[in-house]
Amino acid sequence: ETGVTQSPTHLIKTRGQQVTLRCSSQSGHNTVSWYQQALGQGPQFIFQYYREEENGRGNFPPRFSGLQFPNYSSELNVNALELDDSALYLCASSFRDLSYEQYFGPGTRLTVT
Amino acid sequence: RKEVEQDPGPFNVPEGATVAFNCTYSNSASQSFFWYRQDCRKEPKLLMSVYSSGNEDGRFTAQLNRASQYISLLIRDSKLSDSATYLCVVNPLAGNMLTFGGGTRLMVKP
Repeated sequence: ETGVTQSPTHLIKTRGQQVTLRCSSQSGHNTVSWYQQALGQGPQFIFQYYREEENGRGNFPPRFSGLQFPNYSSELNVNALELDDSALYLCASSFRDLSYEQYFGPGTRLTVT
Repeated sequence: RKEVEQDPGPFNVPEGATVAFNCTYSNSASQSFFWYRQDCRKEPKLLMSVYSSGNEDGRFTAQLNRASQYISLLIRDSKLSDSATYLCVVNPLAGNMLTFGGGTRLMVKP
């Protein structure tokens, strides 16, 4: 196991609602990246946090936002949920200054109805 | 054109077979390359990093061709447990985002 944990495991929300997903990084890792994986596709990069600041962002609208805390854990917030936001949300942790290998948590499966 | 392209498969092979996957990437400045393995409804797991000189880990061999911008993965002596989706991954900027291909599905049959 990677030591990366995510909560909750599954979530069902209604269109227009807001959701917060959480991630605890592997011990010793200082960087957290978030990805969205739709069914049958590869993960798509949302953004990355390093030392509590956003350090890169993919092609996602501003209603996708995040935080990183001093203990390197992280949150992903999505406002005004849309049906297309239904996906597996993956968090990956890494140690930026040593290796760029990223290790994934088990993911949160979000369903928007 | 997608940034990272893979043949989606599926590749159906018998146990013991050798199978190879290729992947092409569009950003010539890409710096790091990886193969991840993903089982159904699970998270991707790092299989191996890919180095310019090529590298081997047991039955798995990865090669990188920067001039042609493609990456390959060779699996020898396939096992039933190798059945999974294999994701080709490129890091276009050091420490930044990973760009995933769509994955190649492998099914190893008895």
